[in-house]
Amino acid sequence: NAGVTQTPKFQVLKTGQSMTLQCAQDMNHNSMYWYRQDPGMGLRLIYYSASEGTTDKGEVPNGYNVSRLNKREFSLRLESAAPSQTSVYFCASSKNRDNQPQHFGDGTRLSIL
Amino acid sequence: QQQVKQSPQSLIVQKGGISIINCAYENTAFDYFPWYQQFPGKGPALLIAIRPDVSEKKEGRFTISFNKSAKQFSLHIMDSQPGDSATYFCAASRAGGSQGNLIFGKGTKLSVKP
Repeated sequence: NAGVTQTPKFQVLKTGQSMTLQCAQDMNHNSMYWYRQDPGMGLRLIYYSASEGTTDKGEVPNGYNVSRLNKREFSLRLESAAPSQTSVYFCASSKNRDNQPQHFGDGTRLSIL
Repeated sequence: QQQVKQSPQSLIVQKGGISIINCAYENTAFDYFPWYQQFPGKGPALLIAIRPDVSEKKEGRFTISFNKSAKQFSLHIMDSQPGDSATYFCAASRAGGSQGNLIFGKGTKLSVKP
């Protein structure tokens, strides 16, 4: 039972490069989320998808784009990476948005030089 | 920006002791208060959650105490064990609309010494 799977687990980029972080869930959840975690900052929401076909900005969306490819998959794209985007990125999913437990993947550790 | 303020940032407890982590919130419309536990190299996992119609919820050694009038809630870990060493996050949300997303505290790193 995989739950939420994120790829890759680690990545190093140069400033200005682009990349896409992949996320897939096998729990038939409607809602999916992307967070970033920085030391002493907790988890901050980048984008979310309340249901298939919809996406909305969270607290820190600048520099990122997302795609809800289907019900299972939600990707996060960095078009032109900056050192300030060095972080650990977590994808999560929940049955729906209304006060439901969120299930997290194990993260992608991204360094931008 | 709605906030959830968590304290302390770090906590060291002896094995068998009680660990207490506190959170305060501003938005009185919040109606869901979960706690997440995160081990190094892993994603957060839901530990226990409470809704404001009760003042306390207990699951094994973990208890949430909720004080609606003070807008505070806390996590108590009884008989703390070295395996409880992790980072703990409180969070809050309100069902529906733009406030439906979880707002997380900044986390508390707990170390339980043998």
